Amino acid sequence: GAVVSQHPSRVICKSGTSVKIECRSLDFQATTMFWYRQFPKQSLMLMATSNEGSKATYEQGVEKDKFLINHASLTLSTLTVTSAHPEDSSFYICSASNRGLNTEAFFGQGTRLTVV
Amino acid sequence: AQSVAQPEDQVNVAEGNPLTVKCTYSVSGNPYLFWYVQYPNRGLQFLLKYITGDNLVKGSYGFEAEFNKSQTSFHLKKPSALVSDSALYFCAVRHPSGTYKYIFGTGTRLKVLA
Repeated sequence: GAVVSQHPSRVICKSGTSVKIECRSLDFQATTMFWYRQFPKQSLMLMATSNEGSKATYEQGVEKDKFLINHASLTLSTLTVTSAHPEDSSFYICSASNRGLNTEAFFGQGTRLTVV
Repeated sequence: AQSVAQPEDQVNVAEGNPLTVKCTYSVSGNPYLFWYVQYPNRGLQFLLKYITGDNLVKGSYGFEAEFNKSQTSFHLKKPSALVSDSALYFCAVRHPSGTYKYIFGTGTRLKVLA
């Protein structure tokens, strides 16, 4: 089946630094990828829709200058958390879809970000 | 507003007993319905979906779900629970004329007791 790979699985960074998370579709081309944030014991919050070759579409309340999304190829989207703060610590998950709306999306393994 | 509800934050069931995880939705038209499972510190894994046809759909790991249009529900079931089924379960909906975005439920933590 289709696979979405997310890297790194865990990262610890210092406050004020930037962290890049990669999401790759390994065996299919994904024109659209999604980035989610998940707080402990809570559901997934959609942050943004990553569109290949164009600007990402951010959900209301998500700072686009803080969470930079780049979708430069059909198999790679990156999320960069800039000037990270401890409150950015969270579990980030990407997903990709490449077929019809009646097919399931594929999710990355998630990235646990801890900002110290 | 369109929404998906999972009324139970947690469901406890004894191993070997049947389990049900509830999901109801409020979405116009005939949406596509999905169930996903999440293990600790992992992404979501697809379990099953309802698109059209038979109201009872079978999925991975012995799970099945029953679509009920009149009650706008899509409850996840398994005849005999395993301890390894303990995880977080999400119901999700897509509108057929919409985008690839999901509307997720809040998740239900299933705990299967040995």
